Amino acid sequence: SQTIHQWPATLVQPVGSPLSLECTVEGTSNPNLYWYRQAAGRGLQLLFYSVGIGQISSEVPQNLSASRPQDRQFILSSKKLLLSDSGFYLCAWSVVNEQFFGPGTRLTVL
Amino acid sequence: GESVGLHLPTLSVQEGDNSIINCAYSNSASDYFIWYKQESGKGPQFIIDIRSNMDKRQGQRVTVLLNKTVKHLSLQIAATQPGDSAVYFCAEKFADSNYQLIWGAGTKLIIKP
Repeated sequence: SQTIHQWPATLVQPVGSPLSLECTVEGTSNPNLYWYRQAAGRGLQLLFYSVGIGQISSEVPQNLSASRPQDRQFILSSKKLLLSDSGFYLCAWSVVNEQFFGPGTRLTVL
Repeated sequence: GESVGLHLPTLSVQEGDNSIINCAYSNSASDYFIWYKQESGKGPQFIIDIRSNMDKRQGQRVTVLLNKTVKHLSLQIAATQPGDSAVYFCAEKFADSNYQLIWGAGTKLIIKP
């Protein structure tokens, strides 16, 4: 069966510090991968999606970037965090239509 | 999307009653629709989906209705239980896209004892 892992579960970082969130998927090959952000009490905002290794599409211009160094690994990064980067970050994968979500990372930027 | 910055609408339902959560979608060419449930602090979980060639689909205690004429999707939960408390999201997939889901704003379902 397929599983998706995200870490860390929670993170508190100072403004201006770098960020690296990792997502890995097991049990499937060549999935589409997604990074979403969700502010408290809000909906899902698609940040990046990837249809293959090294292929990244950005939906929202910002100080975040994404990389896919391996088929089942998706990384969200920032060189300098802003207060507005706080939120709940969700990784998801899909093969056809349905997207499967990871447990999320709660990021607080102080 | 535009809905990202909006506060979630709320639906309060008495325990044991049926819940109906509504969603208006944007693209008449969408060919796939899906409902997710998100409990506090967790990622969204799949509930039920429906293709555009169907009007109704039933699962365990849930039913999704699709009205393509008015571009409306609804999720019905029978005999609502405390464990149904969550935020519910609808999403659509455009027929010309293999990758992306377009998400609705979400509805927070509160169960009254």
